[in-house]
Amino acid sequence: RKEVEQDPGPFNVPEGATVAFNCTYSNSASQSFFWYRQDCRKEPKLLMSVYSSGNEDGRFTAQLNRASQYISLLIRDSKLSDSATYLCVVNEGVDSNYQLIWGAGTKLIIKP
Amino acid sequence: DGGITQSPKYLFRKEGQNVTLSCEQNLNHDAMYWYRQDPGQGLRLIYYSQIVNDFQKGDIAEGYSVSREKKESFPLTVTSAQKNPTAFYLCASSSSGTVSETQYFGPGTRLLVL
Repeated sequence: RKEVEQDPGPFNVPEGATVAFNCTYSNSASQSFFWYRQDCRKEPKLLMSVYSSGNEDGRFTAQLNRASQYISLLIRDSKLSDSATYLCVVNEGVDSNYQLIWGAGTKLIIKP
Repeated sequence: DGGITQSPKYLFRKEGQNVTLSCEQNLNHDAMYWYRQDPGQGLRLIYYSQIVNDFQKGDIAEGYSVSREKKESFPLTVTSAQKNPTAFYLCASSSSGTVSETQYFGPGTRLLVL
């Protein structure tokens, strides 16, 4: 089974700062990529998909680097409510969602 | 409100006992999934179903069983054969299970062994 690896953290960041973390994947044939957010003892929720050209949603920017096989998530002007665990998900499948590989997550703590 | 519900929120299992976790969705999704989450690990797929009356094993199906008799329901049974069942169980669904679709998760069930 191919791997998806994340720095578990925690990343302790002051409110208003910019923070970035990466996720590396080992299967070069991986087709699609996602970032999910999981609050403590809650279910994961989709934060954003990661497109080849990179994409931005408000304060969040996701990038894909196929050559080095990693995706990144950048959070600008961090808020207290951004505190959560961020899960990287890589889809190794071609046709279906049955080959999702989940990272263990990076914990982010935003401090006032 | 459309969504996925799981029950119970907490479940206690005695040694040698089978327990069933409920998952219901009213999103009209064809595909449903069961995952297990352990501390410090990524989600691992137990079973998935793309259509009613059909389901497939995921990466860690041993000691678990499922059924998909109705589109909106995908219950998971943790059997006595599962020797380490303590975990957070998450049910998810997606429209048809094709690549790049968003999965929507239920609130999860925490299973503890007494």
